[in-house]
Amino acid sequence: GAGVSQSPRYKVAKRGQDVALRCDPISGHVSLFWYQQALGQGPEFLTYFQNEAQLDKSGLPSDRFFAERPEGSVSTLKIQRTQQEDSAVYLCASSLAGRAREQFFGPGTRLTVL
Amino acid sequence: ILNVEQSPQSLHVQEGDSTNFTCSFPSSNFYALHWYRWETAKSPEALFVMTLNGDEKKKGRISATLNTKEGYSYLYIKGSQPEDSATYLCAFRSNYKLTFGKGTLLTVNP
Repeated sequence: GAGVSQSPRYKVAKRGQDVALRCDPISGHVSLFWYQQALGQGPEFLTYFQNEAQLDKSGLPSDRFFAERPEGSVSTLKIQRTQQEDSAVYLCASSLAGRAREQFFGPGTRLTVL
Repeated sequence: ILNVEQSPQSLHVQEGDSTNFTCSFPSSNFYALHWYRWETAKSPEALFVMTLNGDEKKKGRISATLNTKEGYSYLYIKGSQPEDSATYLCAFRSNYKLTFGKGTLLTVNP
């Protein structure tokens, strides 16, 4: 496809359940980002990959959050033992290399933890 | 902690009205200012990336200006249409990551 895709689009999890969110970036995009948007807030940075290397994970809220991009393309954000405060829209973005590069976003995964 | 503020939080206008919103951001360590348009259930759509003080960019009826010395950017929409209804997000960039404001929710009534 032409754009960034994410799946699932919607996920309802019971508290304590593990979830995995997938991001397919634009082909050839070196950089990949995950953001979390809680209700009423702007998106907040979670983590950044350049190819398969996770260069910054400073935004991950706790050690229950884990992200990987093993082959430098598709990325998965995993949340273990979900809590209600994890309910948010999780956005993935990709870009070409370089600081000024535009980030292209996927439609997000809306996670609701009951 | 970087602080990016957007105002107003929400705005209702009539079709044909022109409108503008503000984004304020830190004036230090500036690299770029991004504007995005986000409709519900869709991907945020990139509108502008602005890097130079005094930059003015235009795309159709939408334009933006940038003042990096005082730390603000304005987004203007001329002759608003119902399809302009969306959340408009600005994001400050000092390195590779974006720091977003909370957005301005625009509703254009027909």
